[in-house]
Amino acid sequence: KQEVTQIPAALSVPEGENLVLNCSFTDSAIYNLQWFRQDPGKGLTSLLLIQSSQREQTSGRLNASLDKSSGRSTLYIAASQPGDSATYLCAVNAGKSTFGDGTTLTVKP
Amino acid sequence: DGGITQSPKYLFRKEGQNVTLSCEQNLNHDAMYWYRQDPGQGLRLIYYSQIVNDFQKGDIAEGYSVSREKKESFPLTVTSAQKNPTAFYLCASEEGNTEAFFGQGTRLTVV
Repeated sequence: KQEVTQIPAALSVPEGENLVLNCSFTDSAIYNLQWFRQDPGKGLTSLLLIQSSQREQTSGRLNASLDKSSGRSTLYIAASQPGDSATYLCAVNAGKSTFGDGTTLTVKP
Repeated sequence: DGGITQSPKYLFRKEGQNVTLSCEQNLNHDAMYWYRQDPGQGLRLIYYSQIVNDFQKGDIAEGYSVSREKKESFPLTVTSAQKNPTAFYLCASEEGNTEAFFGQGTRLTVV
């Protein structure tokens, strides 16, 4: 059974810092991995999708990497802003998606 | 605009009552999913459907039922058999194991 772990569970940083969120999974037989953002009481917004054949994807200040063989993905956020404060979830898709519990990020002005 | 619409946003259920959550998509996606989210936790899969008139149980299907009579609609019924239904429910759709899109969720509370 696929298990997805996100570390850390919570992270607080001052504005302007670069930061890395981690996601690990136990079964490398996946179609893709997707990073989402969730604001309190809201649905999930897709940030980046990495197909199993890809190593990384970039969108603006966000960069996600995938190392399928080691079962790891990272989400790098450059020059963090208070508006980045949210919970970040990764989901591993092997026919159906398995989600981590998320990392709650707080960026202090 | 294309997207997924969940309704209602808030729903209150009395003990012993069945309630139905709506999920509609106009993205022409074949696959649709229902997830449950409890505070501080990730999403757990309740039911999913890869095609019209077909659906499968997810990890926590007990106490829930679904139907998929139309491609754009995937309603979820929370039955009286679900003993702890208070949670945030999210619907998603995708096409061919690509990017998944989510609705804004329904918060269900037992009163």
